[in-house]
Amino acid sequence: GENVEQHPSTLSVQEGDSAVIKCTYSDSASNYFPWYKQELGKRPQLIIDIRSNVGEKKDQRIAVTLNKTAKHFSLHITETQPEDSAVYFCAAINNAGNMLTFGGGTRLMVKP
Amino acid sequence: DTGVSQNPRHKITKRGQNVTFRCDPISEHNRLYWYRQTLGQGPEFLTYFQNEAQLEKSRLLSDRFSAERPKGSFSTLEIQRTEQGDSAMYLCASSLVASGGNEQYFGPGTRLTVT
Repeated sequence: GENVEQHPSTLSVQEGDSAVIKCTYSDSASNYFPWYKQELGKRPQLIIDIRSNVGEKKDQRIAVTLNKTAKHFSLHITETQPEDSAVYFCAAINNAGNMLTFGGGTRLMVKP
Repeated sequence: DTGVSQNPRHKITKRGQNVTFRCDPISEHNRLYWYRQTLGQGPEFLTYFQNEAQLEKSRLLSDRFSAERPKGSFSTLEIQRTEQGDSAMYLCASSLVASGGNEQYFGPGTRLTVT
């Protein structure tokens, strides 16, 4: 089955700096890669996603890149703000298009 | 609120008791998923429905767990003879499977504590 590894597990940045979170996946048939933000005690919130036919996608301060050959994808947050502080999860969907496999999460702390 | 809703939000039960959780998906979403999340970990897939049909079950879903979606709308997840290891957040998600659609939207979860 699919295996998703996520790094780093914790990331502390100064407000205004950029943050990068990286994930690798094992199943070359996976074709959809969402990112979720989860604040303490709240639901995972879909913030951006990318499909395997695209190499990069951007939405305001967040962007995701995908390298299918290396089976890597990354989340980039620019001009970080304290409200970006949360746990971020990457995920990959299996080739049947139903089951999400999540990474272990990255706790991002943005210091004002 | 037109998002995914779950009830109850919290459940405390004694070991050996049965519990049932409910999930109401986003209206018109034909797929519904159950995940389990323990502290500090990402959600783990348990099972999913397309309309009323349960199409896949994880090996995490022991025979003490059963899920239903009788009319293709809301779903229930029942855990029989609860064990302390069942303590976790149980998350429901829904999606609309159309051309290329994979986005799964999560509910707030039901936090289960087994004492």
